[in-house]
Amino acid sequence: GAVVSQHPSWVICKSGTSVKIECRSLDFQATTMFWYRQFPKQSLMLMATSNEGSKATYEQGVEKDKFLINHASLTLSTLTVTSAHPEDSSFYICSARSGGSYNEQFFGPGTRLTVL
Amino acid sequence: KQEVTQIPAALSVPEGENLVLNCSFTDSAIYNLQWFRQDPGKGLTSLLLIQSSQREQTSGRLNASLDKSSGRSTLYIAASQPGDSATYLCAPRNNNDMRFGAGTRLTVKP
Repeated sequence: GAVVSQHPSWVICKSGTSVKIECRSLDFQATTMFWYRQFPKQSLMLMATSNEGSKATYEQGVEKDKFLINHASLTLSTLTVTSAHPEDSSFYICSARSGGSYNEQFFGPGTRLTVL
Repeated sequence: KQEVTQIPAALSVPEGENLVLNCSFTDSAIYNLQWFRQDPGKGLTSLLLIQSSQREQTSGRLNASLDKSSGRSTLYIAASQPGDSATYLCAPRNNNDMRFGAGTRLTVKP
């Protein structure tokens, strides 16, 4: 299957700082990218969906000014957690898909964010 | 909004058993449904993708079925092995997004 990478795989930061997470589709063009977060022992919750060159669509309850998503190219999306707080500590997973909704969605390995 | 339920939440079996994991979803207007496994602290590994027009898919010891009209899917694992121990997630897709169940945490004991 297609490969999606994330960087960094883990990050520790101080409260109040901003953290950027990159998601790349390595061998296909990702027309749509998704960002999920997962708390311990819970399932994945969709945060936002973005199409290349367009603004992201955020799920209800997700602050768009806190979680900045940029999908500037067909192979790269970034999630920036601004002014991070300890409650933002979580496992963030990106996903990418090429083409329409019938196509398979591929997932990155995740980024573990710990805010002190 | 799609709601996904997976039963059981946890399952512990001895090695060699055949087992069935269940998934139900509230909105049957899906494009497809994927089954994933997730190892602790890791990302998702896609196991099977079933399109809405299909009834089942098979890969090795895994078989997934889909009854779209009733909003159900099952994942059948034959001859389970300790290496199958993981959390299994079901995810139906509607329109442009995919929703996840809480998963079934499987432990296969040697």
